[in-house]
Amino acid sequence: GESVGLHLPTLSVQEGDNSIINCAYSNSASDYFIWYKQESGKGPQFIIDIRSNMDKRQGQRVTVLLNKTVKHLSLQIAATQPGDSAVYFCAPGEGFKTIFGAGTRLFVKA
Amino acid sequence: DSGVTQTPKHLITATGQRVTLRCSPRSGDLSVYWYQQSLDQGLQFLIQYYNGEERAKGNILERFSAQQFPDLHSELNLSSLELGDSALYFCASSGQGAGNSPLHFGNGTRLTVT
Repeated sequence: GESVGLHLPTLSVQEGDNSIINCAYSNSASDYFIWYKQESGKGPQFIIDIRSNMDKRQGQRVTVLLNKTVKHLSLQIAATQPGDSAVYFCAPGEGFKTIFGAGTRLFVKA
Repeated sequence: DSGVTQTPKHLITATGQRVTLRCSPRSGDLSVYWYQQSLDQGLQFLIQYYNGEERAKGNILERFSAQQFPDLHSELNLSSLELGDSALYFCASSGQGAGNSPLHFGNGTRLTVT
């Protein structure tokens, strides 16, 4: 079955620096990937998605990179702000087949 | 704001009791999903409804049931509650067909069973 791995369970960055959160997936047939952000006391919030026919997608301050060859995704957050502190989930799949890993906790130091 | 509304926000009840959690999906979304999130299990898919019909089942206990009503809101019923049922319960909705569209989550119901 599908599994999602996260290279670092926690990440601490200085405010204003760029953050990179990595994610490995196991199912080479996965063709849709989503990044979610979950703040304390709230539900997961959609940040950005990417389809397998793309290798890069940009949003507001965020960029997702997809490397299908090594089954790896990354989420880059530019100029990290205190409000970016949260748990980030890489989620391959769609609908009920969405696979949520353990998440990476991002701490932003002032 | 995801547009998904869940009530109540908090629920404290005793073992053996029954509770009902309510979810209103985003306007226009036909699919509703229920998830359980606990510290040791992460986000676990329970069940999906699409336009009133059960579409998929995940790790949902027999003591739990759900339904989706004609106005598309959904309810998750948890009965014979046990201490281990204490968790966050999230509802999510997605667009028609749920193909290549993200899930949009509510802010959850925190259930505490004492």
